[in-house]
Amino acid sequence: AQSVTQLGSHVSVSEGALVLLRCNYSSSVPPYLFWYVQYPNQGLQLLLKYTSAATLVKGINGFEAEFKKSETSFHLTKPSAHMSDAAEYFCANFGSGNTGKLIFGQGTTLQVKP
Amino acid sequence: DAGITQSPRHKVTETGTPVTLRCHQTENHRYMYWYRQDPGHGLRLIHYSYGVKDTDKGEVSDGYSVSRSKTEDFLLTLESATSSQTSVYFCAISQQGPGSPLHFGNGTRLTVT
Repeated sequence: AQSVTQLGSHVSVSEGALVLLRCNYSSSVPPYLFWYVQYPNQGLQLLLKYTSAATLVKGINGFEAEFKKSETSFHLTKPSAHMSDAAEYFCANFGSGNTGKLIFGQGTTLQVKP
Repeated sequence: DAGITQSPRHKVTETGTPVTLRCHQTENHRYMYWYRQDPGHGLRLIHYSYGVKDTDKGEVSDGYSVSRSKTEDFLLTLESATSSQTSVYFCAISQQGPGSPLHFGNGTRLTVT
């Protein structure tokens, strides 16, 4: 079975500080991993995706994520937080097999303090 | 929003009544999905479709059925709505399924009283 675990349901940072949102996955084969962002009262928007081409993946809005197989992690980072980054962030994984089922973590709410 | 329209956007219904939510896409994508979003649970997959008349269950399919008679439309039906089905429902589409990113609609907020 494959699953995704996001560590920390709420993360608070100051504007200009490093953003680190944690995601660990479990899967028996190399995964397809994604980060999505959801602004209030909106749908989900794709931030970035890992599909085995490179371990460091760059996404939109200055975010990036690093795939670490040894740690089964795919943490999301941004060097300097902006107020506009306040949102909910979801990690997701297709896992093994061709089931087409994208499984999401429980989400992390990012608060950015002025 | 990648040509995805969900209708209605908001609905209030009573326990025991049937409810149908519609997802319409203009992208001609093969895969379509229904998720529900609840605080503390993230998004949970209800059902998905990998082609016309081809569907499969997700994590939380009990109490829900789906139909896809055309590429562009994916219907989610609550046969007899319960208060536990109060949620925000999201439709998503994907061009190729596994490995391809999903693109989401703006959601339907359903309240069952």
